[in-house]
Amino acid sequence: QKEVEQNSGPLSVPEGAIASLNCTYSDRVSQSFFWYRQYSGKSPELIMSIYSNGDKEDGRFTAQLNKASQYVSLLIRDSQPSDSATYLCAVRLDRGSTLGRLYFGRGTQLTVWP
Amino acid sequence: EAGVAQSPRYKIIEKRQSVAFWCNPISGHATLYWYQQILGQGPKLLIQFQNNGVVDDSQLPKDRFSAERLKGVDSTLKIQPAKLEDSAVYLCASSLGVGFPNTEAFFGQGTRLTVV
Repeated sequence: QKEVEQNSGPLSVPEGAIASLNCTYSDRVSQSFFWYRQYSGKSPELIMSIYSNGDKEDGRFTAQLNKASQYVSLLIRDSQPSDSATYLCAVRLDRGSTLGRLYFGRGTQLTVWP
Repeated sequence: EAGVAQSPRYKIIEKRQSVAFWCNPISGHATLYWYQQILGQGPKLLIQFQNNGVVDDSQLPKDRFSAERLKGVDSTLKIQPAKLEDSAVYLCASSLGVGFPNTEAFFGQGTRLTVV
């Protein structure tokens, strides 16, 4: 399996702070990048997708991609207790014989305390 | 739009028994994935279908696991015989296609398997 690494956590931040989640990947064929949120006992829920270098903002979430460094991150501004979950980084291979393969990291557990 | 449907939600079996999981993807989604998620780990890709053809099954333990997607819609994942280490959540996901930008994958609720 192509390697997707996430900072191990757990990560704990106070309410209102910025939470920063990081992910690196090993395969330069990777073209599509996703962040999923997974609450305990639930299935992963897609929250962000990013395909081009730079930043992509959606509400309180900002995804950042640097393909040269093979690095993708997720920033959560004004963190809320409801953001407490495991965040999964996913990388999709979009070329050749590996087309469409979607690989996940182990996840980073985030706790936002009031 | 209906999401990815999976059944059953929970299953408890004894080791060496067989079990099957069913998945119905989002209507029109050509790509279907089966993942295994062990507690505390990220989802591990078991098999990927594009319509009714297998794209990747390199991490599927083929001596005990099998999967099919007849007619390119519903899919079934089977384990026979089950081992204790197969205890996990089995997740099904689908996406519209394999080429950009139709790459976002959506998950069903999963089937929690306990092997005793």
